[in-house]
Amino acid sequence: SQTIHQWPATLVQPVGSPLSLECTVEGTSNPNLYWYRQAAGRGLQLLFYSVGIGQISSEVPQNLSASRPQDRQFILSSKKLLLSDSGFYLCAWRTGGNEQFFGPGTRLTVL
Amino acid sequence: AQSVSQHNHHVILSEAASLELGCNYSYGGTVNLFWYVQYPGQHLQLLLKYFSGDPLVKGIKGFEAEFIKSKFSFNLRKPSVQWSDTAEYFCAVNAGRSGYNKLIFGAGTRLAVHP
Repeated sequence: SQTIHQWPATLVQPVGSPLSLECTVEGTSNPNLYWYRQAAGRGLQLLFYSVGIGQISSEVPQNLSASRPQDRQFILSSKKLLLSDSGFYLCAWRTGGNEQFFGPGTRLTVL
Repeated sequence: AQSVSQHNHHVILSEAASLELGCNYSYGGTVNLFWYVQYPGQHLQLLLKYFSGDPLVKGIKGFEAEFIKSKFSFNLRKPSVQWSDTAEYFCAVNAGRSGYNKLIFGAGTRLAVHP
């Protein structure tokens, strides 16, 4: 069966520091992968999605970037974190039936 | 651009009460519609989905939702809620060819069920 992993689970970083969040999927090949940010009272905001290695689509211009170095690996990065980057970051992958399955998430706090 | 509106941000019910959470979307073409649930401390999980066919879809744990195309709505219902239904509920739409790979989520509704 397919599983999705995210790490770290929680992260506290100072403003201006770099960020790297990792997402990996097991049990499937060539998945569509997604990064969302969940902010309180604002639902889930799609940040990036990827249909294959090296293919990244950005939904919202911001301080973050994404990369897909391997088929089942999706990385969310920032060179310099802002206070507004705090939130809960979710990775998801999509089945052929257009359902998306979500990982456990990373709680990021920028101080 | 597609958007999803959930009308109730917070709902408080007593056990055995009936539940209806509103969801409206803005898109005139073919849509796939979803309700996801996030229980405290758990992953976001798929509750039910509509792709085509019978507009009344049944999901897990006694939930159902009705797709009304003329109203651009996909409301979630449960006849009798339980304390274990306390969670945050998200409506989402996957719309059209150009947006076929993306889910647009509503802001979510926090449901608290009191015993």
